[in-house]
Amino acid sequence: SQQGEEDPQALSIQEGENATMNCSYKTSINNLQWYRQNSGRGLVHLILIRSNEREKHSGRLRVTLDTSKKSSSLLITASRAADTASYFCATEAAAGNKLTFGGGTRVLVKP
Amino acid sequence: DGGITQSPKYLFRKEGQNVTLSCEQNLNHDAMYWYRQDPGQGLRLIYYSQIVNDFQKGDIAEGYSVSREKKESFPLTVTSAQKNPTAFYLCASSTDRALEAFFGQGTRLTVV
Repeated sequence: SQQGEEDPQALSIQEGENATMNCSYKTSINNLQWYRQNSGRGLVHLILIRSNEREKHSGRLRVTLDTSKKSSSLLITASRAADTASYFCATEAAAGNKLTFGGGTRVLVKP
Repeated sequence: DGGITQSPKYLFRKEGQNVTLSCEQNLNHDAMYWYRQDPGQGLRLIYYSQIVNDFQKGDIAEGYSVSREKKESFPLTVTSAQKNPTAFYLCASSTDRALEAFFGQGTRLTVV
């Protein structure tokens, strides 16, 4: 079973709009990470938030983490057509180094 | 350039055959991972290794085998016991704390 589950599964927005996706997980974690995957390619790391952090920014990305609700959100501001990709959350369980991924959110940014 | 390399990019397997997917990294990472991705789905963990000569089963290890004889290399064998092997396979590596995983470009395996 997968640790993280993303919501929504797919998202379609116009260029310039913001994109928000959510991730829920089941067990205690050391950190939560977000990755991006272009079609048919490997994943690229975007941002990591530790379990003792509540919010983190990197460029146009904003990540929040609520450990009491076991959930995280990724916000992409002022989206561009080049942001079209699938986005995955991944968690490192508190018990070890296993990195577990969710099902992903497919984002389409229309020019 | 440092990175992680998977080969081949495309692989075709006849039913009943074993095939081995290659994964090599020159990032000096201790941890390496194998994931399977089916169309439109997320990544499922097959095996992972935190140190040379040691590895652990992930969530879907049945029908797969791995070895970790060298720090740089973590090959995955898809055996004939894997009944539905057609998928996209991704290898990744990270420092021993899984703080940021680096991925290869994947191997697309098709059973013919």
